[in-house]
Amino acid sequence: QKEVEQNSGPLSVPEGAIASLNCTYSDRGSQSFFWYRQYSGKSPELIMSIYSNGDKEDGRFTAQLNKASQYVSLLIRDSQPSDSATYLCAVKNSGAGSYQLTFGKGTKLSVIP
Amino acid sequence: EPEVTQTPSHQVTQMGQEVILRCVPISNHLYFYWYRQILGQKVEFLVSFYNNEISEKSEIFDDQFSVERPDGSNFTLKIRSTKLEDSAMYFCASMRYSNQPQHFGDGTRLSIL
Repeated sequence: QKEVEQNSGPLSVPEGAIASLNCTYSDRGSQSFFWYRQYSGKSPELIMSIYSNGDKEDGRFTAQLNKASQYVSLLIRDSQPSDSATYLCAVKNSGAGSYQLTFGKGTKLSVIP
Repeated sequence: EPEVTQTPSHQVTQMGQEVILRCVPISNHLYFYWYRQILGQKVEFLVSFYNNEISEKSEIFDDQFSVERPDGSNFTLKIRSTKLEDSAMYFCASMRYSNQPQHFGDGTRLSIL
């Protein structure tokens, strides 16, 4: 059973601070990793994808991947109240054929004005 | 920007009735998925569809579920005899190539009475 683990939070940070979200996964063969943002009652919205070890930056967001530790993280710089949402870590199935995503339970982030 | 569209946004159905959820994936995408999210729980994979056939299905996707791509644009999920525990948000997702992210529709909220 492939598992993706996240701290459910809530994680509260003041406006302008850095929010750090973490995720671990069980399938050592996984190659593709994604962060989705989900507002309450809405669908997952892709924030970042990362495929190789190291950091990947996109605006205020930085994804970090360490395959040896089976660990993915997302940093949000200069956090804004509009960043308040649940952040889902998703890992793409490494098996042949379907490429479905396994999601973590999500970390709820609250950015306090 | 192209997007995945789902209809209806909310479906209320009596237990035991059949329901069909509809999706129009992004037009040049090749891989199609259904996921569900029970309130307060994580997003769960149901089924993947590629090259006009199911490529993988989860344990949730039992004989009561079926999928179809009846024409070049629609992708449907049918639940033959709904149960109370089928109440959830159902998300359709699509992907162009296997090494790319999946994009999600806005979802259908299914309520079984």
